[in-house]
Amino acid sequence: GDSVTQMEGPVTLSEEAFLTINCTYTATGYPSLFWYVQYPGEGLQLLLKATKADDKGSNKGFEATYRKETTSFHLEKGSVQVSDSAVYFCALSRNDMRFGAGTRLTVKP
Amino acid sequence: NAGVTQTPKFRVLKTGQSMTLLCAQDMNHEYMYWYRQDPGMGLRLIHYSVGEGTTAKGEVPDGYNVSRLKKQNFLLGLESAAPSQTSVYFCASSYSSGRAGSSSYEQYFGPGTRLTVT
Repeated sequence: GDSVTQMEGPVTLSEEAFLTINCTYTATGYPSLFWYVQYPGEGLQLLLKATKADDKGSNKGFEATYRKETTSFHLEKGSVQVSDSAVYFCALSRNDMRFGAGTRLTVKP
Repeated sequence: NAGVTQTPKFRVLKTGQSMTLLCAQDMNHEYMYWYRQDPGMGLRLIHYSVGEGTTAKGEVPDGYNVSRLKKQNFLLGLESAAPSQTSVYFCASSYSSGRAGSSSYEQYFGPGTRLTVT
């Protein structure tokens, strides 16, 4: 069945460092891909999405490109801030939404 | 708009007790979902609904029941709580489930209910 695998955390970075969180997926057909973010004590919020191959989703300085050839959707940000500390979930949607296990990011000043 | 709201925010149950979690959305979404979130396992779908009066099983439905009597509300029931049901429960809603032709629709999540079963 469809599934998502994302890099295990936790990830700890200093402010202004470069961030990459890897995400790969398994699915037949052409799923849509998403990154959600969960801040402490809150529900998940959509961060960005891409609906077809080679699409780039972007929001708040975060980017991810839908790579069908490598079945990947890695999340990147050039300069992280303390306020980016959260748990990040990669997800795919074809017939239903499947989530990765989540990656906890902590950014230190 | 309040978006998706959940009540209660926290609850402690003893084994064997029952309870109902309430989810409400004011976005006129057709689809609603209940997930549980456990450490290291992401979110797992318990039950979902594609419209008023309809429900269906998700990935981990055992021990739970649901009802969707009104479009804006989706209730999750635990008839006889077990320690394995200790988790954080999230409700979500969307315009579509992601089925054929509509896979780009995002889900909107509530703030969660933290349930502990002792």
